[in-house]
Amino acid sequence: DARVTQTPRHKVTEMGQEVTMRCQPILGHNTVFWYRQTMMQGLELLAYFRNRAPLDDSGMPKDRFSAEMPDATLATLKIQPSEPRDSAVYFCASGPGIAGDTQYFGPGTRLTVL
Amino acid sequence: ILNVEQSPQSLHVQEGDSTNFTCSFPSSNFYALHWYRWETAKSPEALFVMTLNGDEKKKGRISATLNTKEGYSYLYIKGSQPEDSATYLCALFKAAGNKLTFGGGTRVLVKP
Repeated sequence: DARVTQTPRHKVTEMGQEVTMRCQPILGHNTVFWYRQTMMQGLELLAYFRNRAPLDDSGMPKDRFSAEMPDATLATLKIQPSEPRDSAVYFCASGPGIAGDTQYFGPGTRLTVL
Repeated sequence: ILNVEQSPQSLHVQEGDSTNFTCSFPSSNFYALHWYRWETAKSPEALFVMTLNGDEKKKGRISATLNTKEGYSYLYIKGSQPEDSATYLCALFKAAGNKLTFGGGTRVLVKP
């Protein structure tokens, strides 16, 4: 049963620290999405990759957030330096690359920045 | 900014009753509408992907309809059960676009 995996599942850190979240998309999927769930914004798209190339990161605060796909099996989302307002659940999703097709979500990383 | 609206934001349903709720979206350049089911403390799970005007999809007691000309989709739950309690998200994919835009969700609570 193929699934998107995310690590860590939970992260508590102090303001100013670097945070790295990792995602392993479903094998064969060539689109990867990073979302953030907040109370105010609901589910908001941070970044989107197709074939490892970033296509859209307009939803991401550029000064502190960065997203990469070092290879087809790993996507990373990094926050440096972290701030309390970054506290949220971060979801990764992958898809087969067909326009508009279903996205498969990982279990999320719950980040708390103190 | 793409406005995908869902209403109501939340609803309480008595076990055994049927219910429905709405997703509204701009009808121009429509490509696909997704419905996801999102249980508390879990991740969203896909229910339907709908592309054609007049589409009707069904999965067990849950079904959905699509009107792309007027820009809305209904999700129906027949004979609600406590395990149907979740937030139901719709998301729009526009032609020539490259991402889903999610609505705010309808939170359904089924009371035994």
